[in-house]
Amino acid sequence: DAKTTQPNSMESNEEEPVHLPCNHSTISGTDYIHWYRQLPSQGPEYVIHGLTSNVNNRMASLAIAEDRKSSTLILHRATLRDAAVYYCIPEGGNKLVFGAGTILRVKS
Amino acid sequence: NAGVTQTPKFQVLKTGQSMTLQCAQDMNHNSMYWYRQDPGMGLRLIYYSASEGTTDKGEVPNGYNVSRLNKREFSLRLESAAPSQTSVYFCASSEDRGLTNEKLFFGSGTQLSVL
Repeated sequence: DAKTTQPNSMESNEEEPVHLPCNHSTISGTDYIHWYRQLPSQGPEYVIHGLTSNVNNRMASLAIAEDRKSSTLILHRATLRDAAVYYCIPEGGNKLVFGAGTILRVKS
Repeated sequence: NAGVTQTPKFQVLKTGQSMTLQCAQDMNHNSMYWYRQDPGMGLRLIYYSASEGTTDKGEVPNGYNVSRLNKREFSLRLESAAPSQTSVYFCASSEDRGLTNEKLFFGSGTQLSVL
């Protein structure tokens, strides 16, 4: 499994963009980069995933470095409901390994 | 549209007692998983089932058994509960069509305390 490094916590103001970084320098060439988030007292939920190209969906954007050793999850306009733990998971199979993630706090 | 349903939501056991955590999914998914999450930590995989009739150990299988009863249901059993098994347990499922980029869908968790 690729080793990941994420900040323990980050803080954002409501309605401002948030960039959540993740380093995964040991990622293999076939590993996808998955992002999940876990709202308080809930199970994790899928956010986005990608392999090489930047990806967008209704929840977020994923920017992947050209060497794939790092990626950034972008929330374009943070809301209070985005306060959660965000997990970056490089993985080639379906047995995803969840680290400690980044706690995102959103201030009103 | 239930998704992944776990029962019970809360449980308190005494050391040495046994219990079974139930999980069912209504999305016709092939793969199912059991994770545990200790306070302030990420999730750790206990067991998974790639298809009906198969189960495999994950990262922390000791003290647990599982049964893939049918395609919908995947249960986790604690034969003799220990305080170290106090945790929040999450069940998840994925379609698993043989691809490597499939989404996991999680239940809302079972909070288990072992006294």
